[in-house]
Amino acid sequence: GDSVTQMEGPVTLSEEAFLTINCTYTATGYPSLFWYVQYPGEGLQLLLKATKADDKGSNKGFEATYRKETTSFHLEKGSVQVSDSAVYFCALSDTGGFKTIFGAGTRLFVKA
Amino acid sequence: GAVVSQHPSRVICKSGTSVKIECRSLDFQATTMFWYRQFPKQSLMLMATSNEGSKATYEQGVEKDKFLINHASLTLSTLTVTSAHPEDSSFYICSATAGGVNTGELFFGEGSRLTVL
Repeated sequence: GDSVTQMEGPVTLSEEAFLTINCTYTATGYPSLFWYVQYPGEGLQLLLKATKADDKGSNKGFEATYRKETTSFHLEKGSVQVSDSAVYFCALSDTGGFKTIFGAGTRLFVKA
Repeated sequence: GAVVSQHPSRVICKSGTSVKIECRSLDFQATTMFWYRQFPKQSLMLMATSNEGSKATYEQGVEKDKFLINHASLTLSTLTVTSAHPEDSSFYICSATAGGVNTGELFFGEGSRLTVL
């Protein structure tokens, strides 16, 4: 079945450091890919998405490119801030958008 | 954007009582809503898919008589934890898909933290 694998955390970085959180997937068909972020004590919110191969999703300085050849959707940010501290979930949605599969989540701590 | 609201955000109850959590789509009609459970420092576990006007579809291992889901209107789904026990303590999150072309994007509620004493 479909699955999402993302790097284990926690990831601890200093402010202004470069961030990469790896995400790979297995899926049949042509899924849409997402990154969601969860701040402490809150629900999830969409960070960015890509619906087809080679699409790049971007938001708030974060970017991820849908790579079909490597089945990856790695999240990157050039300069993290303390306010980026949160849990990040990689996810895929099947072709019909009826079911979403989440990765295990990666907790990010950014130190001042 | 589409807004989903959950209520209550926190609830504490005694063992054996029932607790209802509401999930509302505020500015769109949600034909499908999803209920998740999240344990500390873990990912989301899909409990059930709720379709307006029909019975919910539960994931394997989720007791449908324990976690009652009702989706009576296009803007409201409820999760009732019946005869709650301490092991039901968890963070419950709902999400919904908006109408129109469905790319699979989900809109999440703020979550409801249940503590059963």
